[in-house]
Formats: sequence, C-alpha cells, structure tokens
Amino acid sequence: EPEVTQTPSHQVTQMGQEVILRCVPISNHLYFYWYRQILGQKVEFLVSFYNNEISEKSEIFDDQFSVERPDGSNFTLKIRSTKLEDSAMYFCASRLRWTSGRAYEQYFGPGTRLTVT
Amino acid sequence: QKEVEQNSGPLSVPEGAIASLNCTYSDRVSQSFFWYRQYSGKSPELIMSIYSNGDKEDGRFTAQLNKASQYVSLLIRDSQPSDSATYLCAVNEGISNFGNEKLTFGTGTRLTIIP
Repeated sequence: EPEVTQTPSHQVTQMGQEVILRCVPISNHLYFYWYRQILGQKVEFLVSFYNNEISEKSEIFDDQFSVERPDGSNFTLKIRSTKLEDSAMYFCASRLRWTSGRAYEQYFGPGTRLTVT
Repeated sequence: QKEVEQNSGPLSVPEGAIASLNCTYSDRVSQSFFWYRQYSGKSPELIMSIYSNGDKEDGRFTAQLNKASQYVSLLIRDSQPSDSATYLCAVNEGISNFGNEKLTFGTGTRLTIIP
C-alpha cells in the first residue's frame, strides 16, 4: 500500500540554523499538510497546501516557516532560523481529491524528529 | 477556540473485552471525524473515518457519531494486546476541496489491553 515518506527521521540542529524537512506524499494525492507534535502534547496543524499554494496556515506558521513543492513528488517544510521551542515531531500528511466514501482522509508519514540545541 | 476533548485515560481493558473511547467537539459545523491510533514514538495511523450520524463498522472497530450532541466514539471489540496505544480523535475544519481544511486533534486516550 502506498505510504507517505519523510526524511530525515531525526534532525539535530543548533539554534538559529535553517532546516529543511522533506516529504514524499502518496503519488496520486493532491492535498498536502504539515503538522507537529511537541513531546507529550497534542498534534497541531501547521499548514495546508493545494494547487501549488498555501490554502490555510495556523498561528504557529509564522514568517520563519515556508513550504514548497519543488518538483512533482517532494513537499518540503523549511524553518529559517530554528528556536529551542521548534523541537518537536513534524508530520507530513496527504489526501486524495474528493472521492465518495474516502473524501477527507489524511494519511500521515512517519515523521521527522527535530531537536534544536 | 475550537476544541476536541478526550478523556486522557489511561483506560485499561481486559483482552477480549470491548474498549470504548469517547470524544466531544465544540464546532457545530464540523462534518468529518476521524480516529487515529498512535503507538509511542510513531505517527498517527488512520483507523476510522465517519461523516454521517449513526454507526460505521470496520472489522473490530465501530465509530459512532451524534452531531446533535457533538459526540463521536470508537468501540474496539475483542480487544487485543496489539490495540494498546493512544487513540486520537480528530475533527476536520474548513472547506474541503479548497484544500483549506485542517484536522484539530484531541489530546488522545491511552488504552492498555491487559492479557
């Protein structure tokens, strides 16, 4: 069964450095998302992306964050200048265009653990 | 602030029994509801979606939705030790097919199946 993949599985970076987290969504999916989960807390929405543009973003997704779909398969999340509080698991998710019965199901990748020191 | 509330547990259920997980949500216009399973250190895994009032069954899992009460539940029949995990309730906000929907998650209920 097709899966969302993410690289790297673990990224350690120093405060103030830029990081790029990479995702390959399921191949026929058209909607892409990033979520994050700080250790011990709930999963939080960051951004949704459709038709090569951001369609929704949360308050967390400030100017330090950006997303890009540089080619037909990859979807990336960039954090320009990392802070200690950016340490979290970052999950990419994707979903199909609407089809009966499975309209809005989002499938999550395995995540990237980001540690900012 | 749109909220999704779950009993954090832990909930302990004997093997072979029925586990019942509950969730309430605050946004009356929400239309799509999901249950995800999350093992420790892993990503959320979709196990059920439900869009209409009533019950939806898939194998040992049954999701129940009551929009009037803003309540969604998950029943796991014949519980197995491998069902031990945190179960996340998620509610879809926004207008789908414009791509601006987003999932709001509860804090999750930790379920332990006792052999």
